[in-house]
Amino acid sequence: SQTIHQWPATLVQPVGSPLSLECTVEGTSNPNLYWYRQAAGRGLQLLFYSVGIGQISSEVPQNLSASRPQDRQFILSSKKLLLSDSGFYLCAWKTDRREKLFFGSGTQLSVL
Amino acid sequence: GESVGLHLPTLSVQEGDNSIINCAYSNSASDYFIWYKQESGKGPQFIIDIRSNMDKRQGQRVTVLLNKTVKHLSLQIAATQPGDSAVYFCAENPSASKIIFGSGTRLSIRP
Repeated sequence: SQTIHQWPATLVQPVGSPLSLECTVEGTSNPNLYWYRQAAGRGLQLLFYSVGIGQISSEVPQNLSASRPQDRQFILSSKKLLLSDSGFYLCAWKTDRREKLFFGSGTQLSVL
Repeated sequence: GESVGLHLPTLSVQEGDNSIINCAYSNSASDYFIWYKQESGKGPQFIIDIRSNMDKRQGQRVTVLLNKTVKHLSLQIAATQPGDSAVYFCAENPSASKIIFGSGTRLSIRP
């Protein structure tokens, strides 16, 4: 069966520090991969998605970037965090068909 | 469409009553729709989905209704229980790769 791993679960970072969140999927090949962000008490904002290695689509221009160095690995990065980057970051995967998303357990990022 | 900046609306329901959560979608090209349940501090969990060639689909205690004419989706939960307390999101799939979430509704259960 397929599983998705996302880490760390919580992260506290100072303003201006770099960020790297990692997500991996097991049990499937060529998944579509996604990063969403959720501010406290708010909805889900699509940040990036990828349909293949090295292919990244950005939905919201900001100081975040994403990379997909391997088929089942998706990384969210920032060179310098802002206070407004705080939030709950969710990684997700799906097949390349119109099917449902499967979410990871999320990373709660607090930028202080 | 996305309303990620808005506070979540709240629906308060008496335990045992039926809950109806509504969602408006924006993209006419969407032909697949999904409902998710999110508990505090966790990732969203799939509840039920529906394709545009259907107008109703039933699961265990849940029913999704789709009205393509007015771009409206609803989730009905029968005999609401305390464990149903969560935030519920609808999502639309305007393309094979992109999934867009609605603003979400917080469901609270009165004992």
